[in-house]
Amino acid sequence: EAQVTQNPRYLITVTGKKLTVTCSQNMNHEYMSWYRQDPGLGLRQIYYSMNVEVTDKGDVPEGYKVSRKEKRNFPLILESPSPNQTSLYFCASSPAVGVNYGYTFGSGTRLTVV
Amino acid sequence: AQSVAQPEDQVNVAEGNPLTVKCTYSVSGNPYLFWYVQYPNRGLQFLLKYITGDNLVKGSYGFEAEFNKSQTSFHLKKPSALVSDSALYFCAVRLMNRDDKIIFGKGTRLHILP
Repeated sequence: EAQVTQNPRYLITVTGKKLTVTCSQNMNHEYMSWYRQDPGLGLRQIYYSMNVEVTDKGDVPEGYKVSRKEKRNFPLILESPSPNQTSLYFCASSPAVGVNYGYTFGSGTRLTVV
Repeated sequence: AQSVAQPEDQVNVAEGNPLTVKCTYSVSGNPYLFWYVQYPNRGLQFLLKYITGDNLVKGSYGFEAEFNKSQTSFHLKKPSALVSDSALYFCAVRLMNRDDKIIFGKGTRLHILP
């Protein structure tokens, strides 16, 4: 089944403890992206990647890192999480840049930083 | 600035009645427009898209949307609402520029009343 898989689904952590949220897609998509969803703010893009070893900042990149060492994986790294990063996170992927496709989304990761 | 607006935070409709969820956009160039739906504890699911051609596009679960270039709108519609349509709906536009990202509206929560 074609899908985007995120892990974990739920995570509670403490301030400052480094964490990684994994994202993997099995559709050979070139484009991958991370969003956070907050009430009243909709979805805001954190980082995106147009292909392997190519990443760029979205609208709210502060406090996050990403890497794209291989096509299928796009992990989101929080080096020193803070409570304002408590949110619902979505990974998404899409075929090649510049074509009229939407995104395929993962099921989400609900992160709580205490 | 390029943006997507969903003017209603919440829409309530009686089951069996027609429903409309509003969306307006502001982009340079031709817009690629999408609607996504999010059910509780799930990721976003693609409903439909407008790329070019017929202004009325049909999508999943009996939904359709009407593209109106003069009013820069892309309202989501369904002739007869079901209780199972209750969910959070996002309008989105894909920017066909270097960033090639999708901008989302803030979402509209649709409540279908039995």
